[in-house]
Amino acid sequence: QKEVEQNSGPLSVPEGAIASLNCTYSDRGSQSFFWYRQYSGKSPELIMFIYSNGDKEDGRFTAQLNKASQYVSLLIRDSQPSDSATYLCAVNRSGGSNYKLTFGKGTLLTVNP
Amino acid sequence: GAGVSQSPSNKVTEKGKDVELRCDPISGHTALYWYRQSLGQGLEFLIYFQGNSAPDKSGLPSDRFSAERTGGSVSTLTIQRTQQEDSAVYLCASSSTSGLGEQYFGPGTRLTVT
Repeated sequence: QKEVEQNSGPLSVPEGAIASLNCTYSDRGSQSFFWYRQYSGKSPELIMFIYSNGDKEDGRFTAQLNKASQYVSLLIRDSQPSDSATYLCAVNRSGGSNYKLTFGKGTLLTVNP
Repeated sequence: GAGVSQSPSNKVTEKGKDVELRCDPISGHTALYWYRQSLGQGLEFLIYFQGNSAPDKSGLPSDRFSAERTGGSVSTLTIQRTQQEDSAVYLCASSSTSGLGEQYFGPGTRLTVT
């Protein structure tokens, strides 16, 4: 079982729709969870993090965490063509003073005008 | 403030030559990471420095790869006797111990071995 799993996509949604990106992780002791956006040819950019069960909203983005199901998701409301990118899920497995993250391979999102 | 910087942005080298890639983390960040990303692939962890602790070198793919971090700040990744399979984008990231471990990435160095 991979440590952090994401559907590679591509996930294609029409402009204005909600895009739902999912991530599962294997280490039940994982502490904090991150979503990065990576445009083609660019480096990853942090867009959200979450560490408590439930939802966390920031503008058009909502991160959802369910530790019992070992599942974290990212919802993008009112998707725009500029949201087209690869979205990387990352997990801090150990917490404490170890800040090493484990990354999923990413989901390619395409928003069609 | 200034983000993570990396140099050079692009490097073309001949097979068998040594290369050095540099990373300047965000000021005050004590943790520094190197990753490699081949075309269309995910991030491959290489090495992790945390303060004065011994680095986590578990991701280095061979003994041709090494990294140093001087004075707890700037880091250099060295690849000796480069091979064509070393061609990739090398990304550096840093994080603060006062956060949750969120990492901030530099723009990367694109390495091409001919």
